[in-house]
Amino acid sequence: EPEVTQTPSHQVTQMGQEVILRCVPISNHLYFYWYRQILGQKVEFLVSFYNNEISEKSEIFDDQFSVERPDGSNFTLKIRSTKLEDSAMYFCASRWTGLLDEQYFGPGTRLTVT
Amino acid sequence: AQTVTQSQPEMSVQEAETVTLSCTYDTSESDYYLFWYKQPPSRQMILVIRQEAYKQQNATENRFSVNFQKAAKSFSLKISDSQLGDAAMYFCAYRTLLLKETSGSRLTFGEGTQLTVNP
Repeated sequence: EPEVTQTPSHQVTQMGQEVILRCVPISNHLYFYWYRQILGQKVEFLVSFYNNEISEKSEIFDDQFSVERPDGSNFTLKIRSTKLEDSAMYFCASRWTGLLDEQYFGPGTRLTVT
Repeated sequence: AQTVTQSQPEMSVQEAETVTLSCTYDTSESDYYLFWYKQPPSRQMILVIRQEAYKQQNATENRFSVNFQKAAKSFSLKISDSQLGDAAMYFCAYRTLLLKETSGSRLTFGEGTQLTVNP
């Protein structure tokens, strides 16, 4: 069964550094998402992406964040200058096209900012 | 803005017994979707069951069923004949009704309930 994959599974970085989290969505899906979960808190929506542009973003998704689909398979989340409070589990998800279609989630990348 | 609340951080159940996980939500919308997701220790969230708010009939998927009370804004998950493989974190989630496919379709999650199944 097709799956969403994410790399790396764990990333440790120093405050102020740039990080890129990578996701490979399910191949025929058209909608892509990033969520994050700070330890002990709710899973929070960051951004959705469709047709090579952001379709919706939350108040968390400020200028420090960007998303890109650089080729036909990868979907990336970049954090330009990481802060301690960016430490979280980051989940990628993808959805096909139907209005009722579910979002399929990846296993997550644990980002630790020191 | 919509909010989702799961007031039970942890629940436990004996194998083969039935357990109910609670979820309440707040919204001003009349049409929306509700979901239960399961996150096993491997951490990949998978969809367990979905309910469309315009449907009065409660959704069922094998051993999983929901009790959807729209007026009370309550959406509980019942797991019958619990199995060891049901042990996981369970998230309740809300999604607005999409009017067009290009609309954002963010999920709003509850805090999660950690379910333990005792042999």
